[in-house]
Amino acid sequence: NAGVTQTPKFRVLKTGQSMTLLCAQDMNHEYMYWYRQDPGMGLRLIHYSVGEGTTAKGEVPDGYNVSRLKKQNFLLGLESAAPSQTSVYFCASSSTGTSGFVSDTQYFGPGTRLTVL
Amino acid sequence: TQLLEQSPQFLSIQEGENLTVYCNSSSVFSSLQWYRQEPGEGPVLLVTVVTGGEVKKLKRLTFQFGDARKDSSLHITAAQPGDTGLYLCAGVANAGNMLTFGGGTRLMVKP
Repeated sequence: NAGVTQTPKFRVLKTGQSMTLLCAQDMNHEYMYWYRQDPGMGLRLIHYSVGEGTTAKGEVPDGYNVSRLKKQNFLLGLESAAPSQTSVYFCASSSTGTSGFVSDTQYFGPGTRLTVL
Repeated sequence: TQLLEQSPQFLSIQEGENLTVYCNSSSVFSSLQWYRQEPGEGPVLLVTVVTGGEVKKLKRLTFQFGDARKDSSLHITAAQPGDTGLYLCAGVANAGNMLTFGGGTRLMVKP
């Protein structure tokens, strides 16, 4: 099992360019998440999906769009990149979400380092 | 303002020393998790604590959830260079909510 994979690993964009980050998981998980990680800020949830064909906004969704057309894939799109979107992006998946008061284990990919000039 | 505040933000110690890192909030959390993240990789779950006052041990790591479920600590005994990494706490504030992460404590253990 590869677990959670992310492509690309690194990317440099110019302001205004667009791009799509791809996340794939082979664990048959229902839930998938996109986070961004900035120094001292921990991980902040951008968007998440509770199943194929469904998506929802997280804490910091502005400037991003997502799609979950297949259960194993979760795409994160930046339509018009801004320097404020320079960050490391992590995808994660879990079998279930929050069961009552406890979060299911989230499995993370290795991250994509994005720089917007 | 983050819901979960971690301290210290950075910690550099010698191999063999003991250390404690803290995760504090003004809010009550239903459960709390600790993750470790190594450079160039994603976070990996270490432990989940659910009950106020709960203590869990993972080899040289001891995790405690505060009685009021507003804080947690991670104590490492006899730290080793392999413990180097970013330690993140994350909690569920209310039923059905997503995880909220703290800012992390970056630990460096020197040989």
